[in-house]
Amino acid sequence: DIQMTQSPSSLSASVGDRVTITCRANQSISNYLIWYQHKSGKAPKLLIYASFSLQGGVPSRFSGSGAGTDFTLTISSLQPEDFATYYCQQSYTAPWTFGQGTRVEI
Amino acid sequence: EVQLVESGGGVVRPGGSLRLSCVASGFNFDDYDMTWVRQAPGKGLEWVCDINSNGASTGYADSVKGRFTISRDNAKNSLYLQLNSLRAEDTALYYCARAAGGSSSPYYYGMDVWGQGTTVTVSS
Repeated sequence: DIQMTQSPSSLSASVGDRVTITCRANQSISNYLIWYQHKSGKAPKLLIYASFSLQGGVPSRFSGSGAGTDFTLTISSLQPEDFATYYCQQSYTAPWTFGQGTRVEI
Repeated sequence: EVQLVESGGGVVRPGGSLRLSCVASGFNFDDYDMTWVRQAPGKGLEWVCDINSNGASTGYADSVKGRFTISRDNAKNSLYLQLNSLRAEDTALYYCARAAGGSSSPYYYGMDVWGQGTTVTVSS
């Protein structure tokens, strides 16, 4: 199985901050990398697919980059509604594995 | 409105069984692969299993293989998960989700529609 490792596990930030979350796969997954936002009690929300493609309706302050084994999710200017847990997931091969999550706190 | 609504969760004793359902609306259900993802208390997201659009192909995480069975009824726009031989570690919020891509690469585009989840608690 492909293992996905996110860092950091949690971070504290302020509104307006630039936030970067990294995700590493233990083998190359090309650009088969997905990012989700998950707020407690709500359904996870697809943010980015294919490493950098923004899902429709997702604000442009979210961006993704990377290929191979190393990937990054960036929020250019953190907004109050962005406080949540973020997960990466590889879509290269089953079983579809997620990172452990990064909690973004105030 | 594109929507998935899960039901069927509850409290069950170890070794017991439960059947989860997920009803889809607002899209052509039989065009999409579907999946179940769970989140144990205080833990992250874990893929459980998936099924292709016509129900002919399924896949399972090792942790549930041989105990859980995914199925679908396209005439009823419904997805199911039969949970047998339940263990305490199966306690989780179970989500159904839609694979965003088409038949050639269903998961390349991620899982784009999710339900609100249904809670399964395995406890004596």
